[in-house]
This record gives sequence, C-alpha cells and structure tokens, in this order.
Amino acid sequence: KAGVTQTPRYLIKTRGQQVTLSCSPISGHRSVSWYQQTPGQGLQFLFEYFSETQRNKGNFPGRFSGRQFSNSRSEMNVSTLELGDSALYLCASSLPSGGADTQYFGPGTRLTVL
Amino acid sequence: GESVGLHLPTLSVQEGDNSIINCAYSNSASDYFIWYKQESGKGPQFIIDIRSNMDKRQGQRVTVLLNKTVKHLSLQIAATQPGDSAVYFCAENNNAGNMLTFGGGTRLMVKP
Repeated sequence: KAGVTQTPRYLIKTRGQQVTLSCSPISGHRSVSWYQQTPGQGLQFLFEYFSETQRNKGNFPGRFSGRQFSNSRSEMNVSTLELGDSALYLCASSLPSGGADTQYFGPGTRLTVL
Repeated sequence: GESVGLHLPTLSVQEGDNSIINCAYSNSASDYFIWYKQESGKGPQFIIDIRSNMDKRQGQRVTVLLNKTVKHLSLQIAATQPGDSAVYFCAENNNAGNMLTFGGGTRLMVKP
C-alpha cells in the first residue's frame, strides 16, 4: 500500500501571500490530520478532517484552514503568510474506528516564508 | 492545553546496548499513547502504541511501558543499531478524535 503523500515537498513564499498544501491519505483511510512542526514549538495539531467535515481544531488563527474531498484527499490553506509560518507541515491519515486511531504521517511540506 | 514532556534531551548509546527513552504526560484523561521516530528530512514514523488498559506492550526490539500512577511513558530499544539514530517523540491522544499532543522529542545518537 502506498503511504501518505504530500505535495509539494518544498515551497518558498513571501509575506502576505497565501499557500495551499495537498495531502493524499493511505488508501482506505478516511481521517486526515494536519500538524505544524517548528524547532521552537515542536509538533502542534492544526486540524482533523473526517468525512469532509472538520472534527477537531487546534489553537491556530483563522488564517489556517483546510478541507477534505469526497475521496478523502485533503488540502490546507494559509492566507496572509507571516515569517513565523515557516515550518514543516505534516499530514497524517488513519482509519476511523470510533476511538483513537493509529496515525501514519507523510513526509511533510517544508514551507519557507521570506 | 496540557502538554506531553516538552524538552529535547539527547541520549547517546553504544551500538548493541539497550536504550531507554522517557516521556512524562500530564493529561490523565488520555487513553492512547504512541511513539514515533523521525529521521532527518522525513515525517514521523509509527513505532509502537499502547492503550491505557495496558502497562506494557512489546514489538520487534521495542517495548513500551506505561505507568499511569506517575503519568510516565517509556520506550525501550533492545540492541540499539546505528539505524535507530533519530528523534523519538511520544504522543498522547486526548480522547477527542485523532488529535495528538506531542512531547518535545528525544534525540538518540548511536555510536558505532
């Protein structure tokens, strides 16, 4: 089975721009979660989507948003980019079992904001 | 929100020795815990998990121990190999879907 894929792998943007990142989950997985990883804050939960609905949301400003499509693929968008948004953005997918599920991560998208 | 072990210590071990990586968690309501390994330039890789109704679980060369009394989680790696060099993260599920709270990570360095 193919793993979680994320595109693009690297991205450079300037302050004020917006960016869209894409995630394709493992086949059969219907839950997709997004995390931000920075040296200072570590790994932080952004949001989770299941059946095209946001099921959980972390403590990030409204500039961070996401969506999920009927095929479980997910995108996240960051508007009005700030320097502090430079990070590795990780997507994880899991089977929905009704409880806590094992999440499998993709390689991440490295976003640099100049 | 509550956090899980926010620090990044480094553990240096000799190849062939056993490694023990520790993690403290603070959310007593968490019922699912996971260890991930992250190599440079890659996403976290699942190693092993444990639910709160267990206190020990074993995998291939790895064992996770859970002590709910003192809210402590540990990962034991037997016969550590150079390929085990990475940053290890513990994570807890806060019992609300698939939202994971991660610890700060521990860097494991294996000397040949």
